[in-house]
Amino acid sequence: QKEVEQNSGPLSVPEGAIASLNCTYSDRGSQSFFWYRQYSGKSPELIMSIYSNGDKEDGRFTAQLNKASQYVSLLIRDSQPSDSATYLCAVNTGGFKTIFGAGTRLFVKA
Amino acid sequence: GAGVSQSPRYKVAKRGQDVALRCDPISGHVSLFWYQQALGQGPEFLTYFQNEAQLDKSGLPSDRFFAERPEGSVSTLKIQRTQQEDSAVYLCASSRRAGTEAFFGQGTRLTVV
Repeated sequence: QKEVEQNSGPLSVPEGAIASLNCTYSDRGSQSFFWYRQYSGKSPELIMSIYSNGDKEDGRFTAQLNKASQYVSLLIRDSQPSDSATYLCAVNTGGFKTIFGAGTRLFVKA
Repeated sequence: GAGVSQSPRYKVAKRGQDVALRCDPISGHVSLFWYQQALGQGPEFLTYFQNEAQLDKSGLPSDRFFAERPEGSVSTLKIQRTQQEDSAVYLCASSRRAGTEAFFGQGTRLTVV
């Protein structure tokens, strides 16, 4: 079992819709959770961080964390074609490593 | 500096050559990470520094890979006797401390021919 799992996609949504990206992790001791966006040929760009159970909103983005279910998600409201990218979930277990999932490719159709 | 800076952006090496990749982290960031990213995959952890101390090198794939951060700022990832399977993008990231938000450099794309 991989430490951080994501559906590789592609996830395709129409412009203006809500995109929902999911991530599960294996280490119950995980403390910090991050979502990164990566455009083709570019490096990962931090979108959101979340450290405690519940929802955290930042503009059109909402991160949701459920430690009991070992599940973290990212919602993108009013999706735009410019949101088309690979979204990487990253988890820090409380040590020095931050482990990344393989990423979910998102396509937003105009 | 304003962000994490990596050089060179692109490197072509002949099989068997040694290469050195440089990372200049955000000023004041204690933590520094190196990752390897193959096409279509997420970044794979290589090694972690806290200031000048290399606290985790469990992800380095072989003893041909070596990293250092002698003064707790700039870091160098060295790959000796490069092999074709070393071809990847090497990403450096820094954060204020372990477990907090990390910011990536532009990466170095290494191609071994």
